[in-house]
Amino acid sequence: DGGITQSPKYLFRKEGQNVTLSCEQNLNHDAMYWYRQDPGQGLRLIYYSQIVNDFQKGDIAEGYSVSREKKESFPLTVTSAQKNPTAFYLCASSMGLLAGASYNEQFFGPGTRLTVL
Amino acid sequence: AQSVTQPDIHITVSEGASLELRCNYSYGATPYLFWYVQSPGQGLQLLLKYFSGDTLVQGIKGFEAEFKRSQSSFNLRKPSVHWSDAAEYFCAVGDLAGSWGKLQFGAGTQVVVTP
Repeated sequence: DGGITQSPKYLFRKEGQNVTLSCEQNLNHDAMYWYRQDPGQGLRLIYYSQIVNDFQKGDIAEGYSVSREKKESFPLTVTSAQKNPTAFYLCASSMGLLAGASYNEQFFGPGTRLTVL
Repeated sequence: AQSVTQPDIHITVSEGASLELRCNYSYGATPYLFWYVQSPGQGLQLLLKYFSGDTLVQGIKGFEAEFKRSQSSFNLRKPSVHWSDAAEYFCAVGDLAGSWGKLQFGAGTQVVVTP
């Protein structure tokens, strides 16, 4: 089955540590996205990538980093510079503009809940 | 910049009753509009989408939405709610012009279904 996987489902981090959240897709999508979800705030875009080896900052990129070395993978690192990292993190993918898509329906993974101890 | 407003943070509805969730957007051109649903602790699932054409859009799970340009709205409806419809619902607007096809999400509406 095609889809998006995120791991781990739950992640605990001590203050001052960097952690990396995994996101893999087998939909052959060009574009991938990372969102942060906090109660009552909807989804906020952290980073997005339209093509391998390229990515752009979203609305709340400070304290986060990403890489896009492979089309199917878009890991997110939450660094110690992120002041309040406890949240639910969602990864998404879409066909992307470069694929000639006429719209941008995004498909979501199941999410990772990160808690800072 | 585009924006999305979901005026209702929380809605309680009886099982079997009708449901309407409001969504208002701010966008200069013709928007691409989406409704997603999220069960607790899960990712988002697409319910329906609007790009052009018929302004009444049918989706999965018996949901429909109507695009009204004059009111900048894209409200979601279901004639008869089931207990399994209890979830959080997000409206989103997207564009392809200069913003890499990003989506802007509303804050969400939590739906509680009572027996």
